[in-house]
Amino acid sequence: GAGVSQSPSNKVTEKGKDVELRCDPISGHTALYWYRQRLGQGLEFLIYFQGNSAPDKSGLPSDRFSAERTGESVSTLTIQRTQQEDSAVYLCASSSRQPQGMGLYGYTFGSGTRLTVV
Amino acid sequence: GQNIDQPTEMTATEGAIVQINCTYQTSGFNGLFWYQQHAGEAPTFLSYNVLDGLEEKGRFSSFLSRSKGYSYLLLKELQMKDSASYLCAVRPLIYNQGGKLIFGQGTELSVKP
Repeated sequence: GAGVSQSPSNKVTEKGKDVELRCDPISGHTALYWYRQRLGQGLEFLIYFQGNSAPDKSGLPSDRFSAERTGESVSTLTIQRTQQEDSAVYLCASSSRQPQGMGLYGYTFGSGTRLTVV
Repeated sequence: GQNIDQPTEMTATEGAIVQINCTYQTSGFNGLFWYQQHAGEAPTFLSYNVLDGLEEKGRFSSFLSRSKGYSYLLLKELQMKDSASYLCAVRPLIYNQGGKLIFGQGTELSVKP
């Protein structure tokens, strides 16, 4: 697609429920990233997929968080047994195969999923 | 460890110049990025530095000193629409055409008439 697409754009869930967030990267982008942004704060790295390599999961805050990616396409981020501190905007980005005026292998971000846990 | 520092907030006047500083300490260095983020929107790319010096792009310029672990973003002829959060990010490692970015907390810039 033309850009990075995320769904849903907003999600309100009850504490203890599981949620699944989806990211559709730009076609041909081999790398895909998930970040979390709490209100008024910077972006916190969660997980990074690069082609068929093992993902870098070093940013996942707990074992309630997991993510999958099918080949070089869609990724889903799953949060189990949601807690109120999980409320944040979850941003997905993908990076270009070739430098394209966004810096060497620069990111394109999606618009994010705003998750509210009540 | 990885650490990116930038001021939390700044205020400037329309038409003026403002400089937003960023210092970093990371386990490696393969590029520094600046992003602009308006409230409720996704970050958008502003600039990229990998070598020392100044990169100019219209009203925006970005400077890098790798030996000092320091960058700044310079915004000239400020406009009201420049009110946004400015995010400094460092990529410690390039891996196979990608590599995660470590972000600072962002600098909230308010431009006043």
